Amino acid sequence: GAVVSQHPSWVICKSGTSVKIECRSLDFQATTMFWYRQFPKQSLMLMATSNEGSKATYEQGVEKDKFLINHASLTLSTLTVTSAHPEDSSFYICSAKDRSQGNIQYFGAGTRLSVL
Amino acid sequence: AQSVTQLGSHVSVSEGALVLLRCNYSSSVPPYLFWYVQYPNQGLQLLLKYTSAATLVKGINGFEAEFKKSETSFHLTKPSAHMSDAAEYFCAVKLGNSGNTPLVFGKGTRLSVIA
Repeated sequence: GAVVSQHPSWVICKSGTSVKIECRSLDFQATTMFWYRQFPKQSLMLMATSNEGSKATYEQGVEKDKFLINHASLTLSTLTVTSAHPEDSSFYICSAKDRSQGNIQYFGAGTRLSVL
Repeated sequence: AQSVTQLGSHVSVSEGALVLLRCNYSSSVPPYLFWYVQYPNQGLQLLLKYTSAATLVKGINGFEAEFKKSETSFHLTKPSAHMSDAAEYFCAVKLGNSGNTPLVFGKGTRLSVIA
């Protein structure tokens, strides 16, 4: 089946630094990718919708200047957490839609961000 | 707006027993419904989906779910639980099948299987 690769799987950073998370669709083209955030023992919350070649659409309450999303190609979207703070510590998961498979959404394995 | 309610944040069953994870949805239009499984420290994996074809949907690992419009439910079942089924299960709904329609997730149900 289709594979979505997310990198890194775990990152620890100091408060105030920026962290970039990559999401790649390995064997299909994804014009649309989604970024989710998962707090401990809670469900996934959609942060933003990323469309190739255009600006991302952010959900209400998500700071676009804090969470920079770039979808420069049909197989790659990146999420940059700028000036990270401890409250940004969370599990971030991306997903990508495969139009050739009826828009099935495949998920990456997630990135655990710990901000010290 | 659509929403998903999963009854029971934690379900515990004995190995070999029936698994029943409940999901109710609200949607103003015919929904697409999904069940995902998340193993510890891993991403989500699609178990099965309902897309307005057969109301009884069979998925991977012996799971199945039945769409009941009258009850606005999409409960997940498995006749006989296995230790490897222990995971977090998420029900999700989306309106239509266009590329830009995101999934809306329930809060998840943690399944424990007791030997």
